Amino acid sequence: AQTVTQSQPEMSVQEAETVTLSCTYDTSESDYYLFWYKQPPSRQMILVIRQEAYKQQNATENRFSVNFQKAAKSFSLKISDSQLGDAAMYFCAYRSPYSGGGADGLTFGKGTHLIIQP
Amino acid sequence: NAGVTQTPKFQVLKTGQSMTLQCAQDMNHEYMSWYRQDPGMGLRLIHYSVGAGITDQGEVPNGYNVSRSTTEDFPLRLLSAAPSQTSVYFCASSTTVHRSWNTGELFFGEGSRLTVL
Repeated sequence: AQTVTQSQPEMSVQEAETVTLSCTYDTSESDYYLFWYKQPPSRQMILVIRQEAYKQQNATENRFSVNFQKAAKSFSLKISDSQLGDAAMYFCAYRSPYSGGGADGLTFGKGTHLIIQP
Repeated sequence: NAGVTQTPKFQVLKTGQSMTLQCAQDMNHEYMSWYRQDPGMGLRLIHYSVGAGITDQGEVPNGYNVSRSTTEDFPLRLLSAAPSQTSVYFCASSTTVHRSWNTGELFFGEGSRLTVL
């Protein structure tokens, strides 16, 4: 079974600065999906960014980018120019492309609580 | 588009009571699932379904029952609620991962907060 580890329960950053959230995962598969989801106080799960393992290029969505290191099984999220609206729980998640055995679902890390200091 | 709709959004139960959390999606997704979220635990998979008539257990299935009679609906039943089932519940759906156009993304409902006294 796959596991996802987020080693930072909480992070704090000054508004307008850059912060990096860490995520590592364990898998024996060569192809898979990785995600970062944001959960603000409204508790809605919002997709921030997605990476497919066969793509070597790191995904970028505006101020959000990832550093995907496949060999190291690492998938960190960088938020540039942090804004007050970025304050939320951030979850790293893994999804297998293979059906069956519960593998169709997402495996989540335990989350990182991001605080933005004004 | 409504996306994934969960009801109710809040519910308080007494120990031993039963209830059903409803989930409906209008995106014609084959895959539907239920997660529970507890502080410090992330989201954990309870049950999932890859199509009408097909369901299977996830990581934490005990105390929960599901069925999938239509593509659109995937209700979660608590037969005899226990305080340990106090949690936030999320329904999520997607196309199945073997579809060539699948992006892998799960689409989530807004969550249901359940308190069992």
